[in-house]
Amino acid sequence: NAGVTQTPKFQVLKTGQSMTLQCAQDMNHEYMSWYRQDPGMGLRLIHYSVGAGITDQGEVPNGYNVSRSTTEDFPLRLLSAAPSQTSVYFCASSYPPTSGRGHNEQFFGPGTRLTVL
Amino acid sequence: AQSVTQLDSHVSVSEGTPVLLRCNYSSSYSPSLFWYVQHPNKGLQLLLKYTSAATLVKGINGFEAEFKKSETSFHLTKPSAHMSDAAEYFCVVSDLTGGGNKLTFGTGTQLKVEL
Repeated sequence: NAGVTQTPKFQVLKTGQSMTLQCAQDMNHEYMSWYRQDPGMGLRLIHYSVGAGITDQGEVPNGYNVSRSTTEDFPLRLLSAAPSQTSVYFCASSYPPTSGRGHNEQFFGPGTRLTVL
Repeated sequence: AQSVTQLDSHVSVSEGTPVLLRCNYSSSYSPSLFWYVQHPNKGLQLLLKYTSAATLVKGINGFEAEFKKSETSFHLTKPSAHMSDAAEYFCVVSDLTGGGNKLTFGTGTQLKVEL
């Protein structure tokens, strides 16, 4: 299994450009999430999905869109890039919570380092 | 609402000495708690998790953590640090409020291991 894969690894955008960060997993996980990591702030949830066709907002959703048409893929779209979106983006996937045992481990991709000029 | 506080942003230890990384949490319901490790320019890897079973949880690479409900703490320990333990560590809390699998991350503790 490849696990969680993300493309591209690095990207530089100009303010106002749009782009899509790709995320795919081959573990048949129902749950997928997007996080951004900024220095001194840990990881913050952008959007998440509990299954194909179902998405919801996380803590910092503004400026980002997601869709989940298949179990495997969960792309993140930046509509009009801004310097404040310079960050490292991580995609993660997991099985749903297990009754009586709580949440399951999230598996993380290697990240995409995005710079917006 | 859930939250997590990592009490130290940086911890420095000598190789072979004990490691203690402190974490306090707040959660409305019985939480799941995790420790993840991130080595430089890498993704995150699960060290261990607590999900309402035994309060002392053993993880990979000799790490363990103890869930103390009365203190709302979930500190990470290791008896003897190794150079390869140098990394950033995140304490993470999750509960089932509102559904989904939403995790709340602490701000991280950078562990430095010196010879």
